[in-house]
Amino acid sequence: SQQGEEDPQALSIQEGENATMNCSYKTSINNLQWYRQNSGRGLVHLILIRSNEREKHSGRLRVTLDTSKKSSSLLITASRAADTASYFCATISFGNEKLTFGTGTRLTIIP
Amino acid sequence: SAVISQKPSRDICQRGTSLTIQCQVDSQVTMMFWYRQQPGQSLTLIATANQGSEATYESGFVIDKFPISRPNLTFSTLTVSNMSPEDSSIYLCSVYGGGREKLFFGSGTQLSVL
Repeated sequence: SQQGEEDPQALSIQEGENATMNCSYKTSINNLQWYRQNSGRGLVHLILIRSNEREKHSGRLRVTLDTSKKSSSLLITASRAADTASYFCATISFGNEKLTFGTGTRLTIIP
Repeated sequence: SAVISQKPSRDICQRGTSLTIQCQVDSQVTMMFWYRQQPGQSLTLIATANQGSEATYESGFVIDKFPISRPNLTFSTLTVSNMSPEDSSIYLCSVYGGGREKLFFGSGTQLSVL
């Protein structure tokens, strides 16, 4: 079953704008991760944030985590056409070694 | 990190036939995971394949339909048996990198069943 729900389901923005995607989950987690999928191919790991962290940066990516609200957001700054992809959050719960994926956000960057 | 070679990348199959998907990893790994992604949907875990033991299947998935082999620590196969159009999906294998937190994925097998 899916742990995370993401919104929006789809997002279209102009190149250069910032894109924000949100993820909500249901149970306590060890960490939360974001993945990108281009054109229905394999997923690529983007960033991981642990349950005791509130914010993390990696290049143009910024992830926040609010464990009290069981939610996370992914911000992509200064978007590029190459950022067009589907983005998934995924969680690992304590005592569990399996990643559970959210519903995903389809991001389209308009040149 | 881990590099995974998955094949075939895509196939079109007839109803009632079976397809075997292969995944080769460039390093030894304990667990390999098989996911299904139905059109426009998220990833659902089918099973976890451990070397030397039977795969562990998630709820809704059975060995007769999705038999898995794991002959060594770098290779696994997933067979989709007696296919129907509802099996049309992307199938993905994955493994953990160091620290058993981040998943690395194969490039996926896009299966269409007519």
